[in-house]
Amino acid sequence: GESVGLHLPTLSVQEGDNSIINCAYSNSASDYFIWYKQESGKGPQFIIDIRSNMDKRQGQRVTVLLNKTVKHLSLQIAATQPGDSAVYFCAENRSLQDSWGKLQFGAGTQVVVTP
Amino acid sequence: GAVVSQHPSRVICKSGTSVKIECRSLDFQATTMFWYRQFPKQSLMLMATSNEGSKATYEQGVEKDKFLINHASLTLSTLTVTSAHPEDSSFYICSAERAGGQETQYFGPGTRLLVL
Repeated sequence: GESVGLHLPTLSVQEGDNSIINCAYSNSASDYFIWYKQESGKGPQFIIDIRSNMDKRQGQRVTVLLNKTVKHLSLQIAATQPGDSAVYFCAENRSLQDSWGKLQFGAGTQVVVTP
Repeated sequence: GAVVSQHPSRVICKSGTSVKIECRSLDFQATTMFWYRQFPKQSLMLMATSNEGSKATYEQGVEKDKFLINHASLTLSTLTVTSAHPEDSSFYICSAERAGGQETQYFGPGTRLLVL
């Protein structure tokens, strides 16, 4: 029978431009959020995290914004480079007794950096 | 610091055989390790939570007799796919949470399993 593949949302960015990757989360009880970068054939790599008592956190070339009102998380990458091409996942950690430590991953966004 | 390794990185096996995948935290102790499965173009799906010295906790829909998990030490967890079938072919990734309660999980490089 015919197989139907899933297609990751793709963000195409020109080298040197800024990238913004968005993520919506579902659980208002989540209190810790992480962004991971996954290159093809590799495991996820930690980029940056943020707790729910903050709305912004900056790292090296990256900024994470958290809007708890609309349950939205974003990752901004400044001066995007070819090495930034990867799939980016947001993850939320739900602060529930029976699920402490479990991460719920978003669907992911494929970032393609063009020269 | 916070390096997690997996072995093997890639394995091909015949249908019906069992495959063991190791996950090691190289420079820290991990009381909790997690096993994920990832199909192409999809997100990571948590299979089970592995706690040192106790039985693993499996997510709904994951067969514990099919995916055996052993967490014998603070630096090693193993996942054994028993009687593997082609539909078990996937990318298996482990992560480790540093002992002490920090929430950040550090991921291994993944193991690509292909069952013929």
